[in-house]
Parts: sequence; structure tokens; C-alpha cells
Amino acid sequence: DAMVIQNPRYQVTQFGKPVTLSCSQTLNHNVMYWYQQKSSQAPKLLFHYYDKDFNNEADTPDNFQSRRPNTSFCFLDIRSPGLGDAAMYLCATSRGTEGGHEQYFGPGTRLTVT
Amino acid sequence: GQNIDQPTEMTATEGAIVQINCTYQTSGFNGLFWYQQHAGEAPTFLSYNVLDGLEEKGRFSSFLSRSKGYSYLLLKELQMKDSASYLCAVLDSNYQLIWGAGTKLIIKP
Repeated sequence: DAMVIQNPRYQVTQFGKPVTLSCSQTLNHNVMYWYQQKSSQAPKLLFHYYDKDFNNEADTPDNFQSRRPNTSFCFLDIRSPGLGDAAMYLCATSRGTEGGHEQYFGPGTRLTVT
Repeated sequence: GQNIDQPTEMTATEGAIVQINCTYQTSGFNGLFWYQQHAGEAPTFLSYNVLDGLEEKGRFSSFLSRSKGYSYLLLKELQMKDSASYLCAVLDSNYQLIWGAGTKLIIKP
């Protein structure tokens, strides 16, 4: 089945220790998104890629970086995690074409910072 | 600014009908989505409206009025598994999704 996969599902890291979250998709979608979601809040868009065209949201902290080495994979790097970065990180994809803006989500990675 | 408003929490009874409202003010409009999100899980797509009117899909229906900046999600024959958060999201003029904070729906037996 075509899908969006995120690894790991749960990640524990120490304060200030770099961490990388990964996302892959078999949908062959053009657009990939990274969201941060905290409890009872709306998902907050961090970045998105249209193909290799990178788009950074204005209020995304510099501590967050992203890479999309090919169509299928996208990574979220948190260079120096703080306690406030503990959240669910959601990867999503969409075709990004007319009539194809519905976003498909992976299961998420729950990040704990100790 | 861009704004999506929906109630924080609603309670309903198993077997009943519930309507979750969403109002929006966004820079442009290219459609409105409803997503369901169970606790600790990712959002899953429920519906998409771009034209005014009612879209029905099984037990779930979604309504849109663009002139009023208003949508609702109607859930019929409620089941316990429908206990979840329901998120309203609008696709703005830049084709970015603007998300509401979600409505937590509690179903009681």
C-alpha cells in the first residue's frame, strides 16, 4: 500500500543533543511537509518542499533544519533540542497539483527531550 | 491575520448526531478540509469542500458556505470510536493549509 512512513515512532534525546527524524513516502507526491504539534494545538508548519524547492516558514527557529535528498525521503534535523521542542512531529505529503492538495500524514514521531 | 475558529470540546451520546462548526478568515480560499485525529495519532483525511453546499460520505457530511466563511462537519449514528479531535483546515491563496486547533469530541454511552 502506498503510504507515508516515519521513523522512529518515539524518540528520546537529551537536552542539546542533535536528533534526526526521518520520513519516506511511496505515494510519489511532489510536496513534503514537516509539522510540529503540541498537545491540544493545531499542527504548526515548519517547512515544506515542492520537489527540491525548499520553503521555510518565517517563524521556524534556526535550530530546525531539513533535507530532501530525493523524492521519497525527507529529514528533520534538530540541532540543539530544548525542552520546548518536545512534541509530535508529523510528516505529510500532497500531490501539490490542481485538485491534489489533500495532505496525507505519516504516523508521527513523538519526541521527548530529557 | 488568518484565523480558524472551532469549539474546543463537545460531548455527544452514542447513536446521536453532532455538528461541529468552523468559521474562518483567511487570505484567499482554495478549499476547506476536515481531518480526524485520535489521541497520539496523526490526522486522517475526512472531507474536502471547495464549492458551497453539502458533501455526504457515509455517516459523515461536510457543509460549506464561502460567503459566510463557515463550515460544519456532521456526524450521524455516533459510535464510541468517533471519540477524537476534529480539525478544520483552510487552503489559502498560497495553497498552504491554515489549521484550526481542533474540536475534541467526547462520546458517552
